[in-house]
Order: sequence, then C-alpha cells, then structure tokens
Amino acid sequence: GDSVTQTEGLVTLTKGLPVMLNCTYQTTYSPFLFWYVQHLNEAPKLLLKSSTDNKRTEHQGFYATLHKSSSSFHLQKSSVQLSDSALYFCALSEQGTGSKLSFGKGAKLTVSP
Amino acid sequence: AQTIHQWPVAEIKAVGSPLSLGCTIKGKSSPNLYWYWQATGGTLQQLFYSITVGQVESVVQLNLSASRPKDDQFILSTEKLLLSHSGFYLCAWSLGPGDNERLFFGHGTKLSVL
Repeated sequence: GDSVTQTEGLVTLTKGLPVMLNCTYQTTYSPFLFWYVQHLNEAPKLLLKSSTDNKRTEHQGFYATLHKSSSSFHLQKSSVQLSDSALYFCALSEQGTGSKLSFGKGAKLTVSP
Repeated sequence: AQTIHQWPVAEIKAVGSPLSLGCTIKGKSSPNLYWYWQATGGTLQQLFYSITVGQVESVVQLNLSASRPKDDQFILSTEKLLLSHSGFYLCAWSLGPGDNERLFFGHGTKLSVL
C-alpha cells in the first residue's frame, strides 16, 4: 500500500537558521503530495501541495519540489522564525481516488530565540 | 465561505461508556467527509471517509463506527469506549479527488477515556 516516511521526529533550531524536513513516499499510482502544518492546540492546515514533477512550490517562505525520480517532497525554509514552531506532516494522495490520504509520522519543529 | 463545526470540544468519558461525536459542514454541498484520529503529538490516522449521504467506508478497525445521515453531517460513535480511544478526533472535508484533494479540518474534539 501507500506509505509516507518522515525521518525527523524532533527538530530544534535557533531563529534565522535554515530547515529541511524530509519526506519520501511509496505509491504505484500518480502521486499528489501535501505538507500540512499544525500549531499547538490548532487543527492542521495545508501549507503546500504538488503533483508536478520537478516544479518548486512555495508558500509563506516554505518551499518544496516534488521529485518523482527519488520519490521525495522535502520541505525547506531558508530562515526559520519563532512562529514556525509546529508539527509538520507530509501526506500522499493517490490522484483520482478521492478517498485516502496517507500521513507521515510528523516532524515537530521547535524554534528558539 | 465554508465552515466546519465539531462538537463537543472536549469529552471525559469512562471506559465502557458510549460516545457520539459530531461534525457539520456549511457552505459546501456534497463534500467528501473524513474522520481522523490523532494521539497527542502523533500522526493523523484516517478512520472513515464518506463521499455521499448514507455511504461510509471504514479505513481501520478501532471499534468505532461512523454515519452520514445528512449531506452536511458526519457522526462518529461507539457503544463501548476503550482506553485506547483517547486522543484527538478531527473531522475534515474535501472537494474530491485530484487537484482539489486538500483537506479542511475542524478544530477537533479532545477525548479522554478514564
């Protein structure tokens, strides 16, 4: 079946440093990838999405590129802020099924002053 | 604008007691509806999804059931709660497959089973 792998469980960074959160996936169908962000005591919200190979997508300073050749969709930001502290989930949808999103384990990013 | 409302906000229940959680979506007809479960700080596990009234598909077996009695309503329930049911329950909706497969989540219900 489909699966999403996020390797970082906990990431602690000082404000202003860059971050990369890894996401790799497995699917036999055409993939549609998402990054969701969940701040403390809030619902998850969509941060980025992509189904286009080798095209960078950006939002709120975060960016990611879907690479089908390596089955990856890593999330990056060049300079993290205190407000970026949150849980980040990578998710995979089988395009066209409309029924199931598989989420990774999540990465907890903590940004310190 | 579409809104999603979940109730209750939080519940403290005893093991073996029944449970009913609700979710209502306004401003969108015939959405796909989902129930997700999340342990504290954990990943999102899809429980159920529904693409139309009266039709619900189960994704995992956790001694829970779901129903969609109306186009805009999704109910999660069980007759006997287990300790393992504790966690955060999130209702979500989407427009459908493909490019519109982004999920819009409600604020969730925090369930504590004692």
